[in-house]
Amino acid sequence: GAGVSQSPRYKVAKRGQDVALRCDPISGHVSLFWYQQALGQGPEFLTYFQNEAQLDKSGLPSDRFFAERPEGSVSTLKIQRTQQEDSAVYLCASSPHDRVFAGELFFGEGSRLTVL
Amino acid sequence: AQSVTQLGSHVSVSEGALVLLRCNYSSSVPPYLFWYVQYPNQGLQLLLKYTTGATLVKGINGFEAEFKKSETSFHLTKPSAHMSDAAEYFCAVTANQAGTALIFGKGTTLSVSS
Repeated sequence: GAGVSQSPRYKVAKRGQDVALRCDPISGHVSLFWYQQALGQGPEFLTYFQNEAQLDKSGLPSDRFFAERPEGSVSTLKIQRTQQEDSAVYLCASSPHDRVFAGELFFGEGSRLTVL
Repeated sequence: AQSVTQLGSHVSVSEGALVLLRCNYSSSVPPYLFWYVQYPNQGLQLLLKYTTGATLVKGINGFEAEFKKSETSFHLTKPSAHMSDAAEYFCAVTANQAGTALIFGKGTTLSVSS
């Protein structure tokens, strides 16, 4: 596809379940970002990949959150033992540039996670 | 630490009226500033950005913003609102000198009435 694709678009999990959210960036994009957007809030940074290297994971809220991009394209955000406060929209963005300065981030439509 | 404050979570204007969405930032490093727009059921899209150079920046759909260092502001304006401008708008600043992340404000919802 032409844009950033995220799946699933909607996920309902019971508290304590593990979830995996997938991001297909625009082909050839070097940078990939994950953001968490709670209801009524702006996106909050989680982690950044440059190709397969995770260069910044300072935004991951706990060790229950894990992200990978093993071949420098598709990325997966995994949340273990989900809790109600994890309920949010998880946004993925990609960029052809290796930093945020130079150009825009292309965002997917997000994966909405609801933890019951 | 870097931060962004968007004054007014909801702004309502009439079609044809001036749009002004306010953004103030705090940054310990030279800031790079952005405005993104989110239409219903769509991903965020870049409206415009300030990196260096000219402080008045023009973006898509007739929007512009002015970087005012002395006021630590980057307000978004459009001379004449259109119904299609109704959306949520986010201001963002680079989080660090490494350029690995953006910090977003909480957003402002713009409503346009006929």
